[in-house]
Amino acid sequence: SQKIEQNSEALNIQEGKTATLTCNYTNYSPAYLQWYRQDPGRGPVFLLLIRENEKEKRKERLKVTFDTTLKQSLFHITASQPADSATYLCALGGNAGNMLTFGGGTRLMVKP
Amino acid sequence: KAGVTQTPRYLIKTRGQQVTLSCSPISGHRSVSWYQQTPGQGLQFLFEYFSETQRNKGNFPGRFSGRQFSNSRSEMNVSTLELGDSALYLCASSPGTASLYGYTFGSGTRLTVV
Repeated sequence: SQKIEQNSEALNIQEGKTATLTCNYTNYSPAYLQWYRQDPGRGPVFLLLIRENEKEKRKERLKVTFDTTLKQSLFHITASQPADSATYLCALGGNAGNMLTFGGGTRLMVKP
Repeated sequence: KAGVTQTPRYLIKTRGQQVTLSCSPISGHRSVSWYQQTPGQGLQFLFEYFSETQRNKGNFPGRFSGRQFSNSRSEMNVSTLELGDSALYLCASSPGTASLYGYTFGSGTRLTVV
């Protein structure tokens, strides 16, 4: 069955450093991958989308890579700030409608 | 512009009852999806509607149903509630295919079944 793994342990980093979050998947050939941020008690907020034929996407301090050979996506936040502290979710999608399969999320804590 | 609006925000129901949750998508968004979020299972896909038609359905029992109206507003219904149905129910809308657009989620309806 499809499996998406994100580090369930919290990632603690110092302000100003680069945070790198990992999303690994098995038994899946996604057509695209999305990253979301979720704060407690709120719905996820869309950050970035990358398609299977793209290697890298950037948006301001955010960068996502997609390696279909390794079946892995990396999500980077450069010059991290305490306001970046949240849970980050990766989600994979295929070609059959708007159905996303989400990973369990990784909690990021950025300390001042 | 207004975001995705979900009502009610909180709900407490008794086992065996039924519940209806409502979602108003962003104006112009024709795709509406529903997800269940629990601490143990994370976010799980329930169903997706596009132009009043259910396009996809997740692996949930038939007690979970939904519909979409001509104005794109959507409702989901859960009948014969069980304790395990306690969760945050999230609605998300999109202007088109998720291969091009990200979802906009609402803040969710927190359902507690007692």
